[in-house]
Amino acid sequence: NAGVTQTPKFQVLKTGQSMTLQCAQDMNHNSMYWYRQDPGMGLRLIYYSASEGTTDKGEVPNGYNVSRLNKREFSLRLESAAPSQTSVYFCASSLTGVQPQHFGDGTRLSIL
Amino acid sequence: KNEVEQSPQNLTAQEGEFITINCSYSVGISALHWLQQHPGGGIVSLFMLSSGKKKHGRLIATINIQEKHSSLHITASHPRDSAVYICAVRIGNYGGSQGNLIFGKGTKLSVKP
Repeated sequence: NAGVTQTPKFQVLKTGQSMTLQCAQDMNHNSMYWYRQDPGMGLRLIYYSASEGTTDKGEVPNGYNVSRLNKREFSLRLESAAPSQTSVYFCASSLTGVQPQHFGDGTRLSIL
Repeated sequence: KNEVEQSPQNLTAQEGEFITINCSYSVGISALHWLQQHPGGGIVSLFMLSSGKKKHGRLIATINIQEKHSSLHITASHPRDSAVYICAVRIGNYGGSQGNLIFGKGTKLSVKP
């Protein structure tokens, strides 16, 4: 049972490049989330998906887009990467919006 | 403004010591979570509670809703407990941004042998 799987684990981009972070869960969870973690700050919600077919903005959505491809997969896209988006990105899922969240191992993203 | 405050920010303890990490919040909540982030970066959920006390092994979490305060206790600490412990609160029920978690900055615990 893999839980929440994120790819890639590390990525270096140049300013202006685009990329998609992938997330998949095998726990039949309804809710999925994308967070970023920056030094000296708590985890901040970028986007979430309460259920298949729905997505909503979190606290820091600017510069990102998401797709809930199906119940298992929730991707995060950076259309034109900026140095301010250098961060560690975590995907998480939960059975419902009020249940504990299960986290992936994170993607360390550096933008030069 | 920080709606979730943790203290201390850093904590060093000797193996076997009793450890307390505190979390205070400024808004009404429907639940509080404690999470552990390992040195390698992985995050696991330890507790979710809305009242009283929960215990799992050597870990105990308590919450006082009236005082807007929660504590995480570790008994008989061990070097493998070294990690960042994160407090997060849920405001309201799930629905829109109100149902999502607000995270504290974490408490970095180092347990020396």
